[in-house]
Parts: sequence; structure tokens; C-alpha cells
Amino acid sequence: NAGVTQTPKFRVLKTGQSMTLLCAQDMNHEYMYWYRQDPGMGLRLIHYSVGEGTTAKGEVPDGYNVSRLKKQNFLLGLESAAPSQTSVYFCASSYLGRGGKGETQYFGPGTRLLVL
Amino acid sequence: SQQGEEDPQALSIQEGENATMNCSYKTSINNLQWYRQNSGRGLVHLILIRSNEREKHSGRLRVTLDTSKKSSSLLITASRAADTASYFCATDVTGGFKTIFGAGTRLFVKA
Repeated sequence: NAGVTQTPKFRVLKTGQSMTLLCAQDMNHEYMYWYRQDPGMGLRLIHYSVGEGTTAKGEVPDGYNVSRLKKQNFLLGLESAAPSQTSVYFCASSYLGRGGKGETQYFGPGTRLLVL
Repeated sequence: SQQGEEDPQALSIQEGENATMNCSYKTSINNLQWYRQNSGRGLVHLILIRSNEREKHSGRLRVTLDTSKKSSSLLITASRAADTASYFCATDVTGGFKTIFGAGTRLFVKA
């Protein structure tokens, strides 16, 4: 199993450009998440999905959109990139734990995004 | 301020010594998890402790949870240079669907 994979690994954008980050998991997990990690900070949740066709906002959703058309894929879109979106983006997935909630998360290797 | 806050922010020890990291949180939780992140990599799950558990072991790792003090500790015994990484606690908040991560403790183990 590949686990959680992310594409691309690194990208440079100019302010105002758009892009889509792709996350794929082959563990048949129900839950998927997008986080951003900035220097000296923990992970902040951008959006998450509790199943195919569903998405929900996390802590810092502004400027991002997501889609979960297939269970194994979770896409993160930036419609008009800003320098404040320079960060490392991590995707994660988890299985349904007790109480129908996600528990242990499995992370991808990350995408480094630089917005000039 | 964040739900999960680790202490200390950074820790430097000699190989063979024990490393202890602490995590405090604010609200009621279902469980608390510890993750490790090597430089430039994604997070790797280490251990999960549920709200009705007080202590859990996994290899050289020992995790405690005190729900009355809203705190947890991660002990790594007989540390190795390969343990050098950032360690994050993550809390699964009661009534919520999200796991909230702290800012992490950076551990440096000198050979």
C-alpha cells in the first residue's frame, strides 16, 4: 500500500494564480483532512471530509476550496493565491473510530508551496 | 490559545537519557494522541490514549493522561539519535469531529 500520497511535492506560484493540490489514499478511509503547517506552529485544519461527496470547514478555510468526488481522493484548491498562503500543506486520512469519529490519522509527505 | 500546548518548546539531551514532554489542553476530550514529525516529513502516529485510560506503553514510549488536570506526558526512555524530531500532541475534542494539534516540542538527541 502507498498509504497517503500528495501531488505535487513542491510548487512556486505568483500572487493571483490558482492551483490544485491532490491527495490520494488507498486505505479505504472515510475521513480525510487538509492541514497547513507554518514555522513554529502546529498543524491548522483547513477543511475536512467525513465521506465521499461531503466537505466541512476547519479552523482556517478562507481562500481555499475542497472537493471529495471519490472516496480515495481529496482535492485542495487555491483560487487566487496570496503570499500568506506560503506554507507546507499536509493531507491526512483516518478510519472511523469509536462513536463514528475519525481517530488515528495517516499523513502524506507534504506539499511545499511558495507564493511570490 | 491552542487546545493542545506542549512544554517544553525545545529539549536537548544526550543519547541514553530519558526525554519527557508535556501537553496541556483546555476542553473535554475523547482521546489524546502523540505524533512524531521528522524534519521535512509528514507526521507519524505514535500512540493514542483514551479519556478513561491513565497510562499506556508502547516500546520505549510511556504516555500518561490526567483528565482532572487536563494534561498528558510523553516519556521516551533510553533515547537515541534517531528520536530527534518534533513531537505533537493532538486532542480529539468531545462532541467535535476534529483533532486539534499543539505547536510541538522539538527534541534533539545528541550522540
